[in-house]
Amino acid sequence: NAGVTQTPKFRVLKTGQSMTLLCAQDMNHEYMYWYRQDPGMGLRLIHYSVGEGTTAKGEVPDGYNVSRLKKQNFLLGLESAAPSQTSVYFCASSPQGSYGYTFGSGTRLTVV
Amino acid sequence: GEDVEQSLFLSVREGDSSVINCTYTDSSSTYLYWYKQEPGAGLQLLTYIFSNMDMKQDQRLTVLLNKKDKHLSLRIADTQTGDSAIYFCAERSLIPDSWGKFQFGAGTQVVVTP
Repeated sequence: NAGVTQTPKFRVLKTGQSMTLLCAQDMNHEYMYWYRQDPGMGLRLIHYSVGEGTTAKGEVPDGYNVSRLKKQNFLLGLESAAPSQTSVYFCASSPQGSYGYTFGSGTRLTVV
Repeated sequence: GEDVEQSLFLSVREGDSSVINCTYTDSSSTYLYWYKQEPGAGLQLLTYIFSNMDMKQDQRLTVLLNKKDKHLSLRIADTQTGDSAIYFCAERSLIPDSWGKFQFGAGTQVVVTP
């Protein structure tokens, strides 16, 4: 079992470029989440999904879009990257009613 | 500001006990968690406790919950160099529209010295 897989692991973007981060889980989990981690700020929720075809905004959604066309995949898009989006991005998933998340290993994104 | 607060740094000698503290604010029934993050890795669930419990022990880990003060602590007995990591406290509300979302603290960097 791979658990939660994030691709890519590292990326450098120029300001204004776009990209998509992919999160894939093979545990048939209903809920999926995208967080960003910044020093001294813990993890902040960007967007989340409670099932295939559904998405919702989290704490810091501006500048990001998401899609959940298939249950196992949750995509995070940056349409026009900004230096403020330099961060480590984590995807997590959980079954409905579960007690904890399974996290991916993260994507380190630098916007120059 | 954050609803979950932690101290940012803890230094401990190898073999001693570590105690990491956390305060939370959600007054509803909730689960409280401790996650460990090693350098360059994702978060690993260490343990969790439901808000109607006072204590939970799992091998070297002891979680204590003071519901009155909304204070959570994680004690690591016989701390080893492999325990050096960032430890996150998190709470998860059980209210129906919370959708399993967590509120994380900023993390406590634990450094274990020989």
